Amino acid sequence: DTEVTQTPKHLVMGMTNKKSLKCEQHMGHRAMYWYKQKAKKPPELMFVYSYEKLSINESVPSRFSPECPNSSLLNLHLHALQPEDSALYLCASSQPAGGTRMNEQFFGPGTRLTVL
Amino acid sequence: QKEVEQDPGPLSVPEGAIVSLNCTYSNSAFQYFMWYRQYSRKGPELLMYTYSSGNKEDGRFTAQVDKSSKYISLFIRDSQPSDSATYLCAIKAAGNKLTFGGGTRVLVKP
Repeated sequence: DTEVTQTPKHLVMGMTNKKSLKCEQHMGHRAMYWYKQKAKKPPELMFVYSYEKLSINESVPSRFSPECPNSSLLNLHLHALQPEDSALYLCASSQPAGGTRMNEQFFGPGTRLTVL
Repeated sequence: QKEVEQDPGPLSVPEGAIVSLNCTYSNSAFQYFMWYRQYSRKGPELLMYTYSSGNKEDGRFTAQVDKSSKYISLFIRDSQPSDSATYLCAIKAAGNKLTFGGGTRVLVKP
């Protein structure tokens, strides 16, 4: 199974709502990532978890809160978002970096988020 | 200067032509090179990856890396309309963090 799944596919939320995005992989990968992608731009790294511990936070506002409950699951909790946070949110997974390992990242299909 | 530069295109070619894509990078620590294809409103799909300088071939796709010039290329032979997508180069050093080029939009016309 070389698939990363994400739910929901689409999400519309108001600025006062609380919602969560979910990501799951069964490739045995121990690194998982959240990216944000705006239209016609490349993915922008938000968070990296390695062995279920947060290893990189790219200075993301606290209204985004990641969680890695186990090695297969990754959540992104959303609260008090702004309209400019509307984007495609991508999850990816890989083997953790180490030695000469390529640790290529596999992406999910994304959640298209609209903040009203 | 961005760490990874990629021409945004669009690059329009007739069906059957060779598509040539490239990226330049500035950081000598980068040592892993990947190409992703992304269809509109979908997640990026890993096409090819390589660690060393030289060529790597997979079907109609050839990835080329020249570390001395800090230049990487992707060639698509016998292009098909289904190859119309945005192609992203992605490069990394030893850690987990990928640095993406801006992406090149490719349109293959029947």
